[in-house]
Amino acid sequence: QKEVEQNSGPLSVPEGAIASLNCTYSDRGSQSFFWYRQYSGKSPELIMFIYSNGDKEDGRFTAQLNKASQYVSLLIRDSQPSDSATYLCAVGGNGGFKTIFGAGTRLFVKA
Amino acid sequence: SQTIHQWPATLVQPVGSPLSLECTVEGTSNPNLYWYRQAAGRGLQLLFYSVGIGQISSEVPQNLSASRPQDRQFILSSKKLLLSDSGFYLCAWTAGQSFYGYTFGSGTRLTVV
Repeated sequence: QKEVEQNSGPLSVPEGAIASLNCTYSDRGSQSFFWYRQYSGKSPELIMFIYSNGDKEDGRFTAQLNKASQYVSLLIRDSQPSDSATYLCAVGGNGGFKTIFGAGTRLFVKA
Repeated sequence: SQTIHQWPATLVQPVGSPLSLECTVEGTSNPNLYWYRQAAGRGLQLLFYSVGIGQISSEVPQNLSASRPQDRQFILSSKKLLLSDSGFYLCAWTAGQSFYGYTFGSGTRLTVV
């Protein structure tokens, strides 16, 4: 059974701090890694994807991948109250058909 | 630009009633289409995916079915709903030859009573 594990939270950080969200996965053959943001009652929206080991930065977001440790993380710098949402980690093979989602981590940014 | 439409937004149905949820994509051709379900506190569960008209792959055996009558139309159906069918149903699409993550529709919140 392929699994993607996330701490359900809530993770609470003050405004302006760095939020660190973590995810582990069980399938060593995984090749694609994604972070989605989901506001309450809304559908998920893609924030970032990463395919190679290391860091990938996009604005205030940094995705980090360590395939040896089967670990992927998302850092949000200068956190804002508008970042308060559930963040879903998704892991897949080569293509979209076998993507497995974690249950998500709730992030709360305090103003 | 590409857009994905999904309706209805909310639905309350009695046990044993039929279901039909519809999803359409605009601005692209030959998309890969997906139906996901999200139960409270759980990850998204892939129900069906389709790589072309009339081509449906089922991931989870259940009382739901899917159809793709047109290139950019994807329908989720049931003949008789169960209480366990309640959840947030999401349609998504990806481009056929590359995968950089899903684009989801706005979702349908189904409550079976």
